[in-house]
Amino acid sequence: GQNIDQPTEMTATEGAIVQINCTYQTSGFNGLFWYQQHAGEAPTFLSYNVLDGLEEKGRFSSFLSRSKGYSYLLLKELQMKDSASYLCAPEGSGAGSYQLTFGKGTKLSVIP
Amino acid sequence: GAVVSQHPSWVICKSGTSVKIECRSLDFQATTMFWYRQFPKQSLMLMATSNEGSKATYEQGVEKDKFLINHASLTLSTLTVTSAHPEDSSFYICSASKGNTEAFFGQGTRLTVV
Repeated sequence: GQNIDQPTEMTATEGAIVQINCTYQTSGFNGLFWYQQHAGEAPTFLSYNVLDGLEEKGRFSSFLSRSKGYSYLLLKELQMKDSASYLCAPEGSGAGSYQLTFGKGTKLSVIP
Repeated sequence: GAVVSQHPSWVICKSGTSVKIECRSLDFQATTMFWYRQFPKQSLMLMATSNEGSKATYEQGVEKDKFLINHASLTLSTLTVTSAHPEDSSFYICSASKGNTEAFFGQGTRLTVV
């Protein structure tokens, strides 16, 4: 089965940096997605990590350690519009099949 | 709270048959439900958004006659894949929202059409 753990809520100040951690246990592993979801909307793809290390994409970076079952999403220069839920979703695999499982999400509140 | 149950978890069907997938919000009323499909190592693709009691809004390129969505109650939405073909084999996942809040995901359904 899949087990995903990420903080429920976080608060950070506009202009600051925030790191959202995610630990997971999966049956097999293809890669890990991070999504941003604003209330009432469908999630937006942020990143997909397959290999260990940090991948940077503008203000957002995502890190993966496969051996530790750990990932984090780093948001820099926070803006008010970054207030949203951030979902960690590891993609498991095995026996020719695959499964995507979402964590409960981390609700990030950006304050002035 | 905020549990979304999706059934079945996996299904194998013959080409040409139809398959129904259910998405239930167990402890809240879901005014909006989203249906997605996902291929391995690819991002989620939104298929349609359904609001209780009204017709679903399909994304461009998604055949509404092939992927029938019903959201008849505040706790249940169904996706029926009609006349399934092997290329429809995918991972289908739903999410449910109370309204202007975050949505919660079901466990997903892995469909294999043989």
